[in-house]
Parts: sequence; structure tokens; C-alpha cells
Amino acid sequence: AQTVTQSQPEMSVQEAETVTLSCTYDTSESDYYLFWYKQPPSRQMILVIRQEAYKQQNATENRFSVNFQKAAKSFSLKISDSQLGDAAMYFCAYREETSGSRLTFGEGTQLTVNP
Amino acid sequence: DGGITQSPKYLFRKEGQNVTLSCEQNLNHDAMYWYRQDPGQGLRLIYYSQIVNDFQKGDIAEGYSVSREKKESFPLTVTSAQKNPTAFYLCASSILKGGLWQPQHFGDGTRLSIL
Repeated sequence: AQTVTQSQPEMSVQEAETVTLSCTYDTSESDYYLFWYKQPPSRQMILVIRQEAYKQQNATENRFSVNFQKAAKSFSLKISDSQLGDAAMYFCAYREETSGSRLTFGEGTQLTVNP
Repeated sequence: DGGITQSPKYLFRKEGQNVTLSCEQNLNHDAMYWYRQDPGQGLRLIYYSQIVNDFQKGDIAEGYSVSREKKESFPLTVTSAQKNPTAFYLCASSILKGGLWQPQHFGDGTRLSIL
């Protein structure tokens, strides 16, 4: 079974600074998608960014970007110019295309943004 | 507005009782999912359904049951066989476009507690 590991249970960053959240995964497949979801205190899950494994170019969404290292099976999330509203639990997730649409989530990283 | 509605927001269960959590979507999405979230942990897949009248077990299906009689509805029953049902339950949905599953959208969740 595929596994997703987030080794940082908690991270903190000063407002306006940059922070990187780590994620590694284990798979023998070559065709898959990776996602970062954000869960603020409201508990709603919000998609932050996604990456297709066959694309070498790292995905970017405004202040959010990823560093996708396929050979190392690493998928880190960089948040630039951190804002107070970025404070949330962040989950890395994996989806294997050959087994349908199901997601496998990591344990999450709680991000605190200090003013 | 289109979205996923989970009800109730809070639910209490007595020992030995079955309870049903509702999940309705008006996004015309093909697939629906149920996840369980325990404190400080990631989401774990309980059941999912990619077409009406068909569903598959996820990683922690024991003690739960589902049905998918309509495309827009995917209720989850927590049976008395589930010995530790206290958790936050999230429903999600996804659409198949051009042969690719799109990212999952999530409801606001139901918190289930044992009395």
C-alpha cells in the first residue's frame, strides 16, 4: 500500500517570511498525482496545489509552490510571504491513477504564523 | 451555490446504537468518499463510490456501511460494531473529466461523539 509521510508535526513562521513543509511518499507506480490540502480551524479541507507526476515543472499557485523530486519521492510545499490566514493544518495527499480516484493522506503539519 | 452538504454538524450516539451521517452534493460529481479524522491525525478512507449502486471499502471499513442509490447522496452508517466511533467525519466528491479524476471537494464535516 502507498504511504505518505509528513515528518514535521508542527512548524512556525514569521509573517511575511517563507516556510517549507516536507512530504515524502512511497510508491512503485509512475503515473500519479500529488496534492497539498489546507485545513484551517473551521475544519474545511481546501485544495492548495496539485502536481502531476509526469510533469517535470513544479506547480505554482500565487504564493504557494512545490518542489517535486520524483526520484527521491519528495513533494515539499513552499509558502512565500506568509500571512496570518495561512495558519492551518496542511496535508499532503497521493492519488494513484491506476486504482481510481482514492486519496492517501499524510498525518499533517500544523503551521503557526507569528505576527 | 453548488457544494457538499453534511448533516448534522454534531451527532451523539449511545452505546449499541447505529447512526447515519448524511452527505449530499449538487455538483453532479461522479464519485463520493467518506473519511475519518482523529485528533492530530490525517484523513483515513472509510468507503468510496465512483458510480451509483457501487462502492468499495477503504482502509478502515469495519464497523461502517454505506449506500449509493442516487448520484447526489452517499450516507454513512456507523454501526454498533464500530467500537471507537468518536471522530470527525468528512465527505468528499470528485468528477471524472476527459478520463481524469479532478481534485476532491470536501464538505464541512460531522463530529460524532459517544454519550
